[in-house]
Amino acid sequence: EPEVTQTPSHQVTQMGQEVILRCVPISNHLYFYWYRQILGQKVEFLVSFYNNEISEKSEIFDDQFSVERPDGSNFTLKIRSTKLEDSAMYFCASSELGVGNTIYFGEGSWLTVV
Amino acid sequence: GDSVTQMEGPVTLSEEAFLTINCTYTATGYPSLFWYVQYPGEGLQLLLKATKADDKGSNKGFEATYRKETTSFHLEKGSVQVSDSAVYFCALSDFGGSQGNLIFGKGTKLSVKP
Repeated sequence: EPEVTQTPSHQVTQMGQEVILRCVPISNHLYFYWYRQILGQKVEFLVSFYNNEISEKSEIFDDQFSVERPDGSNFTLKIRSTKLEDSAMYFCASSELGVGNTIYFGEGSWLTVV
Repeated sequence: GDSVTQMEGPVTLSEEAFLTINCTYTATGYPSLFWYVQYPGEGLQLLLKATKADDKGSNKGFEATYRKETTSFHLEKGSVQVSDSAVYFCALSDFGGSQGNLIFGKGTKLSVKP
């Protein structure tokens, strides 16, 4: 069964460093997403991406975050200058279409900022 | 705005007990409703979904019925197993509100004892 894959599975970084989280969405999917889950808290939407541009973003997704689809298969989340509160599980997801379609999640990338 | 409310956990049951996890929602449009499951150390997996009123989603012995009159989507299973121990998230996707992105409840942790 096709799946969303994410790398790395776990990353530890120093505060202030840049981090890039990578994702390979399901190949025929057109919508891509990043969500995050701070330990013990709700899964929160960060950003959605369609047709090579951001289609929606949450208040969390401020100027320190950016997303990119550098080639035909990868979808990346960059955090420019990490803060302690960025420590979380980051989930990449994709869906074939948008509204109401099933969103498939990867296994997540644990980011620990120290 | 749109929101999802789940019953507080943790829920602890004995094997073969009946499970209900309550979920209610608030939405401005006509949402699709989902249950996701997160097994220990893993990512989010879609468990079941329903896209319109009175639809019943089912998978792996779990089921949930989309009740528009009570704005609910309660998860049920007749006989739980130890392997069902996980965190269960109710979520909605609403074109009118969130433009198709998922809004999650806080999650309900289920522990099943042998």
